[in-house]
Amino acid sequence: DARVTQTPRDKVTEMGQEVTMRCQPILGHNTVFWYRQTMMQGLELLAYFRNRAPLDDSGMPKDRFSAEMPDATLATLKIQPSEPRDSAVYFCASGLSPGADLSYNEQFFGPGTRLTVL
Amino acid sequence: AQSVTQLGSHVSVSEGALVLLRCNYSSSVPPYLFWYVQYPNQGLQLLLKYTSAATLVKGINGFEAEFKKSETSFHLTKPSAHMSDAAEYFCAVSEGTGRRALTFGSGTRLQVQP
Repeated sequence: DARVTQTPRDKVTEMGQEVTMRCQPILGHNTVFWYRQTMMQGLELLAYFRNRAPLDDSGMPKDRFSAEMPDATLATLKIQPSEPRDSAVYFCASGLSPGADLSYNEQFFGPGTRLTVL
Repeated sequence: AQSVTQLGSHVSVSEGALVLLRCNYSSSVPPYLFWYVQYPNQGLQLLLKYTSAATLVKGINGFEAEFKKSETSFHLTKPSAHMSDAAEYFCAVSEGTGRRALTFGSGTRLQVQP
C-alpha cells in the first residue's frame, strides 16, 4: 500500500530552535508539495518540486524557511529559527506529472507533522 | 488568477439526508477542479476530480459533483449521509495550463447527526 510518509508526526520545540521535517514521497512520484494548515489561514501552499527541482516557493517565508530534495526519496522542510507563529500542521504531498503541467494531477497527502513552537 | 470559495464553514445534516457542499471558483482559463476529504488527524484524500470530460463526476464513497460553467460552481453532493462522512471537505482549483499547483478553499466541516 503505497503512501507518503512524514516524520516526525509531532514536534514540540522552543522558539529559536531549528526544526527539520522530512517527507518520503510515494516511490515513482516526481512531484512533491509542502503545505501548512492552520485554523486561521487554512491550507497554504509553501513550495513544490518537480523532478527534485524547485518550481515555486513563493508561499514560503524565505528568511527562515527552506525546502530541499536531497534525492528522489526524501524532501525536507527546515525552519531556522522557529517562531510561535510557525505552529501548524505541515503536510507533504506527492504526485506523478509526466509533463510540466501539474494542473490535473492528483496529489497524495501524507499524515502531516504537527509542529508546536513554544 | 485562480481562487476557490466554499460557502459555509460548517454544515450539519441528519444521517440519511442529502449532503450538499458548495464550491465556487474563479479562473481565467478552463479549470481543473477537485474535492478532497480530510478525516481527523489525517492528510487529505482525493474524492473526485473534473478535468474537462463529463460535467457530472462520480467519486468515492457515493459522492458526486457537477461542473457548471455558467455558475462557476462545482458543488459536492451525496444522496444519503452516513455517520462516517463526518469530516472536513476541501474544494480545489487548478488552471488548465502551466505550472501552477492547486489552490484550496477554506474547507467545510460536515457533521452528521444520528
